[in-house]
Amino acid sequence: QQQVKQSPQSLIVQKGGISIINCAYENTAFDYFPWYQQFPGKGPALLIAIRPDVSEKKEGRFTISFNKSAKQFSLHIMDSQPGDSATYFCAASATGNQFYFGTGTSLTVIP
Amino acid sequence: GAVVSQHPSRVICKSGTSVKIECRSLDFQATTMFWYRQFPKQSLMLMATSNEGSKATYEQGVEKDKFLINHASLTLSTLTVTSAHPEDSSFYICSAVTIGGPSYNEQFFGPGTRLTVL
Repeated sequence: QQQVKQSPQSLIVQKGGISIINCAYENTAFDYFPWYQQFPGKGPALLIAIRPDVSEKKEGRFTISFNKSAKQFSLHIMDSQPGDSATYFCAASATGNQFYFGTGTSLTVIP
Repeated sequence: GAVVSQHPSRVICKSGTSVKIECRSLDFQATTMFWYRQFPKQSLMLMATSNEGSKATYEQGVEKDKFLINHASLTLSTLTVTSAHPEDSSFYICSAVTIGGPSYNEQFFGPGTRLTVL
């Protein structure tokens, strides 16, 4: 059973546009929700993360929106740039336990 | 963010040989490290959880005698692929989880190791 469901599988956005990737989870014990960015041939890099005590976290052009009641969280990339083209993974974990990853979203930003 | 290194970044070996991959947390201590395998255009597949000072916990379907994990210290875990075969060719990624402090339970990944078995 997929613990974290991610959509869309792929996304094409024009330069300057907003990229939105969504994730949903079932386990209410999860208390940490990170997003990772991965370029081909590289390991995933932590992009931004949120804990359930807040509904939104913003770092530069990247924002996480978190809806605890709906058990959903999303990544928004504002003013998307070609350099943002990568695969993005959401994840969830309960402190001290393993991380569960979404299936990934391949983002392409067109110049 | 915290830094995790992996060595080697690439390895090519002959079928039947063993390969050791090292994972180090450079600027923090990690009681827990994870080992993942990733196939092209797919998500990360957890292979095992490595805990310092105790035996690793393997995921279902992962052969513990083939993928030997040792977590010798709070900053080092090793994965040894024994008697490697072409089907073991993959991208192996480790990660380390922070303990304590304001950044607790954050997971940081190494750069990955591309293993090719001829």
